[in-house]
Amino acid sequence: EAQVTQNPRYLITVTGKKLTVTCSQNMNHEYMSWYRQDPGLGLRQIYYSMNVEVTDKGDVPEGYKVSRKEKRNFPLILESPSPNQTSLYFCASSSFRGGYISNQPQHFGDGTRLSIL
Amino acid sequence: DQQVKQNSPSLSVQEGRISILNCDYTNSMFDYFLWYKKYPAEGPTFLISISSIKDKNEDGRFTVFLNKSAKHLSLHIVPSQPGDSAVYFCAASEKGAQKLVFGQGTRLTINP
Repeated sequence: EAQVTQNPRYLITVTGKKLTVTCSQNMNHEYMSWYRQDPGLGLRQIYYSMNVEVTDKGDVPEGYKVSRKEKRNFPLILESPSPNQTSLYFCASSSFRGGYISNQPQHFGDGTRLSIL
Repeated sequence: DQQVKQNSPSLSVQEGRISILNCDYTNSMFDYFLWYKKYPAEGPTFLISISSIKDKNEDGRFTVFLNKSAKHLSLHIVPSQPGDSAVYFCAASEKGAQKLVFGQGTRLTINP
């Protein structure tokens, strides 16, 4: 079954304690992305990756890091989490067509709800 | 600034009637638009899309209309069914850009 898998699904932690949210896709997609969803703001892109070892900032990258060492995995790292990073996070992947992702639907994981106390 | 806006946080429609969800955008460089549907505790799933070279795209009960001069698109669901109750996100992208810009979402509730 084609899917994007995120772990953990839920996490409550404290300010400053490093954490990693994993994301894995089994569709051989080149493109992967992280979003956060906040009330009244919709989904905002944090980071994205066009392929292995190629990553770039989205609209809200502050406080986050990513890596893309393998095509299937795209972990999101919070080196020193703060309460304003409490949110619902989604990982997504898609293929390219003609070099663009814009006309390719993105496949989303089921989300990770992070609470930073 | 919010480049994609869904000004109705919620919408309630009777089963069997038409649901119309609206989306406005400000960036004239957007050339591809998508609608996603999201159930609680799940990720968004792709529903339907439209290219800026078209003004209408239909897929079963779902039709998306694009009015480029007004920078407005809408999603019509006919007839509405209880399983359509979800949050709907509008998204847009520029040609060549490697990102989607999402609206705030509209929660649709279909009443029996």
